[in-house]
Amino acid sequence: DQQVKQNSPSLSVQEGRISILNCDYTNSMFDYFLWYKKYPAEGPTFLISISSIKDKNEDGRFTVFLNKSAKHLSLHIVPSQPGDSAVYFCAARTYSGAGSYQLTFGKGTKLSVIP
Amino acid sequence: GAGVSQSPSNKVTEKGKDVELRCDPISGHTALYWYRQSLGQGLEFLIYFQGNSAPDKSGLPSDRFSAERTGGSVSTLTIQRTQQEDSAVYLCASSLSVPSSDTQYFGPGTRLTVL
Repeated sequence: DQQVKQNSPSLSVQEGRISILNCDYTNSMFDYFLWYKKYPAEGPTFLISISSIKDKNEDGRFTVFLNKSAKHLSLHIVPSQPGDSAVYFCAARTYSGAGSYQLTFGKGTKLSVIP
Repeated sequence: GAGVSQSPSNKVTEKGKDVELRCDPISGHTALYWYRQSLGQGLEFLIYFQGNSAPDKSGLPSDRFSAERTGGSVSTLTIQRTQQEDSAVYLCASSLSVPSSDTQYFGPGTRLTVL
């Protein structure tokens, strides 16, 4: 009963092209969505986020789109660079009471950008 | 460095032994999280500390797992009578627990191998 699903375990993209990473969720109580990037032997690092009241957030080469009716979000990277090669985790936040927030993560998508 | 640090970076132990994993969060961060990532899986929430409140232990997989946070700073995750299925990367994260974003900053993780 995965609440956050990243159905593509891997993705290969040519340098300079667009990378699109997808994420689906089932819990309508999620109020915030985040993308993290993870290099081998390092912890995940925050990349970009979006509130559930918005449908788009852009930061440089990275844009996250949220479709609440479809319970779907996507991360677009354009243009893709070899340094973007990493595992990307989608995460969704719920408020669990008494000031406590919890993140639920997907299994990740390994992006390979080919020079 | 001002990031989240974890020790040890790698731990190999024999089945049945106890292990302790340490996390030093970013100074001033009131929230501290423990996750684990098993091979091919996403990040699995274990436990959450917020200030002086009682921790959210809802993610701990069994009573062999426990964690404490002393003085609102350093945290120790203890696994008693380790089993082979406990082998995973254990990640610690901290945040300011700001409702508007609650970005979590991760440490590099401890890779635990139970033989």
